[in-house]
Amino acid sequence: AQSVTQPDIHITVSEGASLELRCNYSYGATPYLFWYVQSPGQGLQLLLKYFSGDTLVQGIKGFEAEFKRSQSSFNLRKPSVHWSDAAEYFCAVGPGNTGKLIFGQGTTLQVKP
Amino acid sequence: DAGVIQSPRHEVTEMGQEVTLRCKPISGHNSLFWYRQTMMRGLELLIYFNNNVPIDDSGMPEDRFSAKMPNASFSTLKIQPSEPRDSAVYFCASSDRTEKYFGPGTRLTVT
Repeated sequence: AQSVTQPDIHITVSEGASLELRCNYSYGATPYLFWYVQSPGQGLQLLLKYFSGDTLVQGIKGFEAEFKRSQSSFNLRKPSVHWSDAAEYFCAVGPGNTGKLIFGQGTTLQVKP
Repeated sequence: DAGVIQSPRHEVTEMGQEVTLRCKPISGHNSLFWYRQTMMRGLELLIYFNNNVPIDDSGMPEDRFSAKMPNASFSTLKIQPSEPRDSAVYFCASSDRTEKYFGPGTRLTVT
């Protein structure tokens, strides 16, 4: 079965601390992987995506993610979190941009001052 | 470009009424998607179109839901009759071959 699991529903970090959000997937074909961010009352914004090549991908707002095929993971990281990063983060897998994306349940990030 | 435009942004209706949600994709994008977001089920794909043709509607929950894309610049999602369990945020997204862009969503409340 195709699925995405984000094990952490809520995460709280202090401003300036590092962040890692976990994502594990199950997908039968070559996975195309995405991280989206959703601020309250807003739509989803693409942070980064992995299609092929270098397994460490850089995204917007200082985020990066690493694809690990052996672990079926695509964890999102940021070295130093800013208060404006507080939002909900979604990992997704699919056959590319024009196909059906399967989303994880999301991780809500809270940033303490 | 103004991005993906959805209307209305908020809709409150009574059970049994017809609801129509509207979406204008980004010009030049050839794929359009309707998603539903709820606390219980997260983000679910309802239906998507390529070049105005429905490709996969397996996520449409019931016959009460229907979606159309009469041209490349407009799509509707209709619920008739609406039920309280349809309360959710409905997102429209469009994509070219590089990225999927989401609209701001329509928050639907059915009382």
